[in-house]
Amino acid sequence: DIVMTQSPDSLAVSLGERATITCKSSQSVLYSSNNKDYLAWYQQKPGQPPNLLIYWASTRESGVPDRFSGSGSGTDFTLTISSLQAEDVAVYYCQQYYSTPITFGQGTRLEIK
Amino acid sequence: EVQLVESGGGLVQPGGSLRLSCAASGFTISTYWMHWVRQTPGMGLVWVSRIKSDGSSTSYADSVKGRFTISRDNAKNTLYLQMNSLRAEDTAVYYCARGQGGYSNSWNDNWGQGTLVTVSS
Repeated sequence: DIVMTQSPDSLAVSLGERATITCKSSQSVLYSSNNKDYLAWYQQKPGQPPNLLIYWASTRESGVPDRFSGSGSGTDFTLTISSLQAEDVAVYYCQQYYSTPITFGQGTRLEIK
Repeated sequence: EVQLVESGGGLVQPGGSLRLSCAASGFTISTYWMHWVRQTPGMGLVWVSRIKSDGSSTSYADSVKGRFTISRDNAKNTLYLQMNSLRAEDTAVYYCARGQGGYSNSWNDNWGQGTLVTVSS
């Protein structure tokens, strides 16, 4: 199984500041035949299901604010929120869909400082 | 509007069975891989199972293999998860989620609100 490890486990950032979450996979999730990284990011607010933010490591889902961006390739990935808003308080998860079992990171809790 | 609505959760004794349903609206599930993902209260997300658009291929997490069965009725636009031999560690909120892009392995672009399964005597 591919193990996804996020850091940090929790993060407090001031409003308007940048928030950065990293995700590391235990093996590469880059598929050589199409040069795509099989990595997604989700946001989950209390009492709600996960909400897709990013897929293919850096493609923003329709309707997601452009302050959210994804980067990285192979085994190391980053989710960046360029200017934190109050509504961004949530838990963030990375997910690899390169191989089954599909696996998620343990989550990063983002709070306002 | 795409909607997924799970039902069938509840309290069941260890060793018991439940069948979860996920009714889809706003799209036709017959063209999508569909997934079940669970989340232990206060904990993270764990993928459980997936099924191909026509039902011809399924996959399971090792923790549920041989006990859970995923199925679908495309005519009813509904996904199912039959859960047998339930254990305390199966206690979780179960989400159905749509796969995307026609890929067997894909991200999940739409999720239901979840249904809580509690396994306890």
